[in-house]
Amino acid sequence: NAGVTQTPKFQVLKTGQSMTLQCAQDMNHNSMYWYRQDPGMGLRLIYYSASEGTTDKGEVPNGYNVSRLNKREFSLRLESAAPSQTSVYFCASSEKRQGVWVSTEAFFGQGTRLTVV
Amino acid sequence: QKEVEQNSGPLSVPEGAIASLNCTYSDRVSQSFFWYRQYSGKSPELIMSIYSNGDKEDGRFTAQLNKASQYVSLLIRDSQPSDSATYLCAVNTGNQFYFGTGTSLTVIP
Repeated sequence: NAGVTQTPKFQVLKTGQSMTLQCAQDMNHNSMYWYRQDPGMGLRLIYYSASEGTTDKGEVPNGYNVSRLNKREFSLRLESAAPSQTSVYFCASSEKRQGVWVSTEAFFGQGTRLTVV
Repeated sequence: QKEVEQNSGPLSVPEGAIASLNCTYSDRVSQSFFWYRQYSGKSPELIMSIYSNGDKEDGRFTAQLNKASQYVSLLIRDSQPSDSATYLCAVNTGNQFYFGTGTSLTVIP
């Protein structure tokens, strides 16, 4: 069972370039998330998708777009990369506990270390 | 005010001691609470989940939840050098997870 798979693991971009971070989960989870992690800032939510066909902004959405392509895949796009977007990006997924509305834990991908120069 | 607050540490304990990690949260409708461990350069991995008031034990780890006080804690007994990591407290309020900034723990051999 692969869990949550992110690609690429590392990326260096020049300012102004665009790229898409890919994420796929094989756990049949409805909810998927994109976080960025910066030193001293913890994990900050960029966007999330509570179910296929829906996306919502998180705490730090500016400069990013997302697509929930299907139930398995949730991509994050940087249209014009900026040095402030240098970070480690994590994709995660979760599901509601069977029979109740509370959430299971979030399962994380391996992360993408992005550097914008 | 942040949704989830943790003491950033760093926290150092000798091998074999008890490490105590604390977390408070602001949203009273929070229903799901989690502790993650994150090694440097790695992704967070779940240590404990807790949904009801009281204690939950799993091996050397005990999570404690007090919803009235909006407080979650993690105790690590018989701490080992391999427990040296950053510990993240997380709270789910329905559709979102909120994470604390993490507490760095070092277990000294």
